[in-house]
Amino acid sequence: DQQVKQNSPSLSVQEGRISILNCDYTNSMFDYFLWYKKYPAEGPTFLISISSIKDKNEDGRFTVFLNKSAKHLSLHIVPSQPGDSAVYFCAASARAGGTSYGKLTFGQGTILTVHP
Amino acid sequence: DVKVTQSSRYLVKRTGEKVFLECVQDMDHENMFWYRQDPGLGLRLIYFSYDVKMKEKGDIPEGYSVSREKKERFSLILESASTNQTSMYLCASSLFGAQGAYTQYFGPGTRLTVL
Repeated sequence: DQQVKQNSPSLSVQEGRISILNCDYTNSMFDYFLWYKKYPAEGPTFLISISSIKDKNEDGRFTVFLNKSAKHLSLHIVPSQPGDSAVYFCAASARAGGTSYGKLTFGQGTILTVHP
Repeated sequence: DVKVTQSSRYLVKRTGEKVFLECVQDMDHENMFWYRQDPGLGLRLIYFSYDVKMKEKGDIPEGYSVSREKKERFSLILESASTNQTSMYLCASSLFGAQGAYTQYFGPGTRLTVL
């Protein structure tokens, strides 16, 4: 049962254009969402996050949008750069408390390739 | 700067061997996690620990066990390695409580091949 889904295995974008990575979730208890970036032979690194009380969070070239009614979030990268080429994972967490301990549920990942 | 280290970057083992993967964090984090990453499946949680000597099963604990004797160290044990355990293994840690509990910091990963 895949509670977090990234339906696009790969995305190819020209340098300078916008990259949009999508993520859907099914568990209505999720209230915090994160995006991680992973280069080959390295561990994932935290990129940006959003709480369910917001619908948008921005950090430089990266913006995450959350549509709670659709259970959908997206990551926008503007402008895209060749160094952004990596695997991007979205992750979700239910409110920490009880025994959740900040567990994250990850999507399958989307391979982004930015061409010069 | 936060740091999570894993004992090996690459490991080759034979079927039936007992395998130990070690993870150490220097951030005084309460929570530690073990994942495996496989193409098309993303990161799947094997086990996690929220305190010394405490452990909880994740989504795919079968064939694995863990040990946390010290706060900074979390070990993953493959009791009898099998070929379907060939994978990238990732360790992570996070703070306990409030927003910090959500952001996990990852080690570089161990690429394990079981022959």
